[in-house]
Amino acid sequence: QLQLQESGPGLVKPSETLSLTCTVSGGSISSSRYYLGWIRQPPGKGLEWIGTIYYSGSTYYNPSLKSRVTISLDTSKNQFSLKLSSVTAADTAVYYCVGDMGGFGELGFDPWGQGTRVTVSS
Amino acid sequence: NFMLTQPHSVSESPGKTVTISCTRSSGSIASNYVQWYQQRPGSSPTTVIYEDNQRPSGVPDRFSGSIDSSSNSASLTISGLKTEDEADYYCQSYDSSSVVFGGGTKLTVL
Repeated sequence: QLQLQESGPGLVKPSETLSLTCTVSGGSISSSRYYLGWIRQPPGKGLEWIGTIYYSGSTYYNPSLKSRVTISLDTSKNQFSLKLSSVTAADTAVYYCVGDMGGFGELGFDPWGQGTRVTVSS
Repeated sequence: NFMLTQPHSVSESPGKTVTISCTRSSGSIASNYVQWYQQRPGSSPTTVIYEDNQRPSGVPDRFSGSIDSSSNSASLTISGLKTEDEADYYCQSYDSSSVVFGGGTKLTVL
């Protein structure tokens, strides 16, 4: 059973790059079973898919964020990461790392990390 | 891309049955699986329905999912409501280019 844990700065300045890491336990991310992803939730609002990465390194991004998002793997540390560039206050949210069952949420997202709150402010 | 539209809120009494709808704006609801997530305050979402109507282990059979091609919508039905069911519920589906979530429905059990 995979377990996911997000980490990273809780405060990012406008125009800078948001960087988060998700540490995976209970399984190897280099296994062919896993798609892994990021989802965010602005305060008081709904869920937004950011993107997904496959164990091979193939990535799939939300078209509305694609120009600013990079998701990558670090198999040596069993981690994957999110970078979101040129952030604004609209990027303030709780960011969740997730297992993406089947890719593109085809079979749902499970498990979810506990989430990490990121505020964009000067 | 398409949208998934849910009612903003629903309320019902304990022991009753409630149904939450999720309407797809374009493309067939039957073309891609629909999932449902429960999110209690301060917690991460958890899956209550996947593949339109499948329950993960540990989810009580009071939760059921269905799709209706005539209305191009999916539904989550919760029977025998308990106060612990009070939460936000989100539907989710996808197409060839993206993953889409509904805006969420706040369920109040009063």
